[in-house]
Amino acid sequence: DAGVIQSPRHEVTEMGQEVTLRCKPISGHNSLFWYRQTMMRGLELLIYFNNNVPIDDSGMPEDRFSAKMPNASFSTLKIQPSEPRDSAVYFCACRVVGANVLTFGAGSRLTVL
Amino acid sequence: QKEVEQNSGPLSVPEGAIASLNCTYSDRGSQSFFWYRQYSGKSPELIMFIYSNGDKEDGRFTAQLNKASQYVSLLIRDSQPSDSATYLCAAQIGNEKLTFGTGTRLTIIP
Repeated sequence: DAGVIQSPRHEVTEMGQEVTLRCKPISGHNSLFWYRQTMMRGLELLIYFNNNVPIDDSGMPEDRFSAKMPNASFSTLKIQPSEPRDSAVYFCACRVVGANVLTFGAGSRLTVL
Repeated sequence: QKEVEQNSGPLSVPEGAIASLNCTYSDRGSQSFFWYRQYSGKSPELIMFIYSNGDKEDGRFTAQLNKASQYVSLLIRDSQPSDSATYLCAAQIGNEKLTFGTGTRLTIIP
């Protein structure tokens, strides 16, 4: 298993553009989490899914953010329109059935100019 | 008040000494606690987890939990330069989401 795979690894875009971040979770997972990390606020949970169903999206900053998990093998986090304050590293993390450990992807570093 | 609080550091410790990292949490319903290590530019990786009051040892690492004081700590014995990283404390209620602190940056001085 290649682990949690995120793409793109780096994204530079201009304010107002749509950004889509992608995550391919590890096999055998039952939960998927999207986190955002900044120097000021640390690692913040945006949303998480159990068995592909969104459970808690209270961390999603505002309506500009949306996340989907159409199947167990894929999830997206979309920002539309993007703003400079969205600049951060976005991590996808998974938890495997029967284990209470989060495995993180390498992250997607987003810069909004 | 943040749910999980850590001293942001930086914490500088001489090589070979004991590094002590501290964390407090606000929700008494928290049941499980985790320490993650994050190297610069990398993703967090799990070091240890602890569920019960007391100490839990794994090699050079010891996690300590005091639920009455809502306090979690991580001790690193015989600190090595490779231990230089940011250490993230996380708390979990039940089997649900992990809430992270902002992390403590640790530097081991050769």
